Amino acid sequence: DAGVIQSPRHEVTEMGQEVTLRCKPISGHNSLFWYRQTMMRGLELLIYFNNNVPIDDSGMPEDRFSAKMPNASFSTLKIQPSEPRDSAVYFCASSTLQGNQPQHFGDGTRLSIL
Amino acid sequence: RKEVEQDPGPFNVPEGATVAFNCTYSNSASQSFFWYRQDCRKEPKLLMSVYSSGNEDGRFTAQLNRASQYISLLIRDSKLSDSATYLCVVNSFSGTYKYIFGTGTRLKVLA
Repeated sequence: DAGVIQSPRHEVTEMGQEVTLRCKPISGHNSLFWYRQTMMRGLELLIYFNNNVPIDDSGMPEDRFSAKMPNASFSTLKIQPSEPRDSAVYFCASSTLQGNQPQHFGDGTRLSIL
Repeated sequence: RKEVEQDPGPFNVPEGATVAFNCTYSNSASQSFFWYRQDCRKEPKLLMSVYSSGNEDGRFTAQLNRASQYISLLIRDSKLSDSATYLCVVNSFSGTYKYIFGTGTRLKVLA
């Protein structure tokens, strides 16, 4: 079975550039989560969607960050303009959010902003 | 107080040892509980769900104590390959569902 698929695996870009991270959740999962992980702050929830609708975006750091889920099989996280402090590993996870179902994570995107 | 708390460690144990981690949570309405394992520079991977009656998967045993609001993970006969960070996750509903992650406990199994 295909797991959560993220792209790109690595991204290096200069500050000020637009960055788009992509995620395909596990088929049949109706909830999708974007996380950011750094050594200093650990794993932080940025936003989550249920049935393609954003439910909780309280973790989105600022207006430079935006996320969309146009359909059940695709989501994007965009940073514009990017800054060096955005450097982190960004994970996407999906689940069914029913009963006691766990989340499943993608391999992550390692983002470096120079 | 954090919603989910873990001792960050590191726990340094010799091969073959038994090691236990605890994780406390503050929301008594929490509904489901999980242990994840995260290797350096990798994604968190589900290790096991934690059921009310306790559950075992090979060398790993998970327990839930709702009265005291903690979950535990016991690793028996530890292997070098068990070295990783173990994350406790609590799922609760208060208007919306939330998975709350602990900051993780680092385990090093030494030869």
